[in-house]
Amino acid sequence: KAGVTQTPRYLIKTRGQQVTLSCSPISGHRSVSWYQQTPGQGLQFLFEYFSETQRNKGNFPGRFSGRQFSNSRSEMNVSTLELGDSALYLCASSPTGGGGAAKNIQYFGAGTRLSVL
Amino acid sequence: AQTVTQSQPEMSVQEAETVTLSCTYDTSESDYYLFWYKQPPSRQMILVIRQEAYKQQNATENRFSVNFQKAAKSFSLKISDSQLGDAAMYFCAYRRSANAGGTSYGKLTFGQGTILTVHP
Repeated sequence: KAGVTQTPRYLIKTRGQQVTLSCSPISGHRSVSWYQQTPGQGLQFLFEYFSETQRNKGNFPGRFSGRQFSNSRSEMNVSTLELGDSALYLCASSPTGGGGAAKNIQYFGAGTRLSVL
Repeated sequence: AQTVTQSQPEMSVQEAETVTLSCTYDTSESDYYLFWYKQPPSRQMILVIRQEAYKQQNATENRFSVNFQKAAKSFSLKISDSQLGDAAMYFCAYRRSANAGGTSYGKLTFGQGTILTVHP
């Protein structure tokens, strides 16, 4: 079974531009979460989607948005990029169905490294 | 709000020896899950081990085991017979249990991470 796929792997943008990152979850997974990883702030939760609905949101400005499609693929968008948005963006998917702890394991993709110049 | 604290920014161990990474957390919930993830230089986050809060028995996965002390809110990771491939950043993480409706939502709250170096 293929893992979580994130595209692109690397991205260079300039301040003020916008960017869209893509995440394809493991087949059969319906929950997708996004995280931002920086050396200063560590790993921070951005948002989580389930069945095309945002279920949970972290403490990020409105420039950060996301969506989930009917096939569970997810995109996140950052508008008006700032230098501080340079980070590794990680996507994780979780299974649904089954019992117990299986629903609570998040499987991560390799991330998208965003550099804002 | 839940918080996770890893007090050891860096640890080192000799190959074949044992090392323990510390993690403490704070929560008012009674049902939750704890995880250790490994992030090697490739940046891919890999699940090492998980622990259900309602289980008193400590989880074990091959050379990896945890010491879960619920009352003390402590969750340490022990790596036995350390190997060069164990070198990575290790993150402790907390997630509340799925809700009664069965949907899997909630967020992972991570600690700051511990860089583990393995010396040959």
